[in-house]
Amino acid sequence: QVQLQESGPGLVKSSDTLSLICSVSGGSMRNFYWNWVRQSPVRGLEWLGYIYQTGSTNYNPSLRGRVTISLDMSKNQVSLKMKSVTSDDTAVYYCVREVGDDGFGLWGQGRSVMVSS
Amino acid sequence: DIQMTQSPAYLSASAGDRVTITCRASQTIETYLNWYQQKPGKAPTLLIYSASSLENGVPSRFSGSGSGTYFTLTINSLRPEDFATYYCQQGYASPRTFGQGTKVDI
Repeated sequence: QVQLQESGPGLVKSSDTLSLICSVSGGSMRNFYWNWVRQSPVRGLEWLGYIYQTGSTNYNPSLRGRVTISLDMSKNQVSLKMKSVTSDDTAVYYCVREVGDDGFGLWGQGRSVMVSS
Repeated sequence: DIQMTQSPAYLSASAGDRVTITCRASQTIETYLNWYQQKPGKAPTLLIYSASSLENGVPSRFSGSGSGTYFTLTINSLRPEDFATYYCQQGYASPRTFGQGTKVDI
């Protein structure tokens, strides 16, 4: 059974870089899109971007180039980096697996991140 | 960005009821529409993809329909475990966007 587990600091200072890792266990990372989605009371569910096994990426333009998603299939990990964070980036961050057009089929449990001033 | 608008935002129901949630897209998304269920403190889970296809393991009391800009999620014979928040999401264009959610409460 494939599982996704997010890890990383739960508290980040304003203007710093948020870094999270998603560890994938129980299955291959091939042939999937690996997404990051965040959720906050103010913004609701917000898609941040994805990376495919080829390394191709697609990001939400609203993030104005602050986000980088990378893939390390040798370690079964996907990472998220978001630079220049503000309090608006306080949210629960989810790692999500997607198969083509069939929706976000598998979610991690989420990592709560607070940005402090 | 494609805006997704759900209604109602809140729905009060009883076990055994049939409930319908609607989701409208600001432009056509064909059938690239997915539905999720989220319980408090948990991640969302996929219920329906491509507007009407039931995800593996999801009970058949859940069904989805629609195309273009108008979609519905129907839950027949509501069970206690169905009380949750439901979200629609479009996969037609980037950026992927979600509705604001519909909370189904007792």
